[in-house]
Amino acid sequence: QVQLVQSGAEVRRPGASVKVSCKASGYIFSGNYMHWVRQAPGQGLEWMGRINPNNGVTNYAQSFQGRVTLTRDTSISTAYMELSSLRSDDTAVYYCARDHLLRSLDPWGQGTLVTVSS
Amino acid sequence: DIQMTQSPSSLSASVGDRVTISCRASQSISNYLNWYQQKPGKAPNLLIYAASSLQSGVPSRFSGSGSGTDFTLTISSLQPEDFATYYCQHSYFTPPQTFGQGTKVEIK
Repeated sequence: QVQLVQSGAEVRRPGASVKVSCKASGYIFSGNYMHWVRQAPGQGLEWMGRINPNNGVTNYAQSFQGRVTLTRDTSISTAYMELSSLRSDDTAVYYCARDHLLRSLDPWGQGTLVTVSS
Repeated sequence: DIQMTQSPSSLSASVGDRVTISCRASQSISNYLNWYQQKPGKAPNLLIYAASSLQSGVPSRFSGSGSGTDFTLTISSLQPEDFATYYCQHSYFTPPQTFGQGTKVEIK
C-alpha cells in the first residue's frame, strides 16, 4: 500500500536549520508531486510548498519563500524539506503528503515535530 | 492567493444529527475543492476530492457539494468516530493550495 514515513522529532535553536525526510513506498515516486504542510500547536493547516520528484521543480508559499528548500532523491524514493533561520513560531508538526486526484493530498506522512527553543 | 473561509469554526452536535460545514473561496475554483478530517494527534485524512467525489474507504454518510466559490461538507448521520476537526482546501491550478481555518465538531 502507499505509505509515507517521516523522520523523527527534532529540536533546534533559533537561527538554526532543520531537514525533515519523507520516504515513499508502494507507488512510483516520480509520478506524483509531494507537498509539505505544517501545523503549529493548536492551530490549523498551512501549505508550505510542493516538489515534482520527476524534475525537481518546486513551488513555495510566499510566506516561506527564501527559507524553505524542497529536494528529493529519486534513488531512494525520499523527499526532503529544509527550513532555515528557524524562529520559535516555526515550532510545529511538519507533514509530507502525496499529490492525489485533482491535486488533493493522500496519503499523509505521520508528521514530524520540530521544536525551536533556546 | 486564493483565500478559503470555513463556517462555523466550531459546532456541537449529537450522535445521529445531520451536520453541514461550509467553505467559501475568494474566487472561483471550479470543483478543485477537497475536504479532510483530522483527529487529535493524527495526520489529516482525505474525505472528499473534486468537491463531491468520495475517497475510497470513506463512509457514505460523508458527502460534498458545490462549485465555483461555495462548497458544503455534509455528514448525514453523525457517528461517535466523526468528532474531529474538518478542513477544506483548494487545489486550483496556481499554488498555494490554501486551507480553510478548520471546523471543530464537538459532542453536544
